[in-house]
Amino acid sequence: SQQGEEDPQALSIQEGENATMNCSYKTSINNLQWYRQNSGRGLVHLILIRSNEREKHSGRLRVTLDTSKKSSSLLITASRAADTASYFCATDPLGAGSYQLTFGKGTKLSVIP
Amino acid sequence: NAGVTQTPKFQVLKTGQSMTLQCAQDMNHEYMSWYRQDPGMGLRLIHYSVGAGITDQGEVPNGYNVSRSTTEDFPLRLLSAAPSQTSVYFCASSPRRSYNSPLHFGNGTRLTVT
Repeated sequence: SQQGEEDPQALSIQEGENATMNCSYKTSINNLQWYRQNSGRGLVHLILIRSNEREKHSGRLRVTLDTSKKSSSLLITASRAADTASYFCATDPLGAGSYQLTFGKGTKLSVIP
Repeated sequence: NAGVTQTPKFQVLKTGQSMTLQCAQDMNHEYMSWYRQDPGMGLRLIHYSVGAGITDQGEVPNGYNVSRSTTEDFPLRLLSAAPSQTSVYFCASSPRRSYNSPLHFGNGTRLTVT
């Protein structure tokens, strides 16, 4: 069953604007990860935030995690046309025993030049 | 390093045929896994392995077999293909079997079953 759910399903913005995507999940987690998928390619890892962290930055990416609300957000600042892709959150459920990342359905981001 | 390599890139099968999707990684990763990606469904875990000789089922294992005889290779076998197995299949690996370790993905195999 899907653990994470991204919102919105699709997002279209102008180049230079900021893009925010949200992820909600159902059970307690070890960590939450964000991945990017360009059309026709595999997923690429962007950032991992542990359950005891609240915010993490990597370049133009900012991820927040609110474990009390079971939600996370990914902010891409000063977007570029090359950021056009689908973005997925993935959760590592606490107590799963082995590493079993579960993915949401993704947010499709279009950045218009 | 080539990373995670999947072959073939595309495959068309008839219902009832069998085939093996190949996955190889050259990063000496302990953990390997197979996902399928369907429109509107996200990625779902089929099988995974935490090391050579060890495999386990994920969320949607029915109709698929795996084996892990070496650290590098993790093939996925379709025993008798069905149209419901039309999907894009991704292999992924990770340095450690434990959590807090990102996945490295291959570029996928697009399978159509007619």
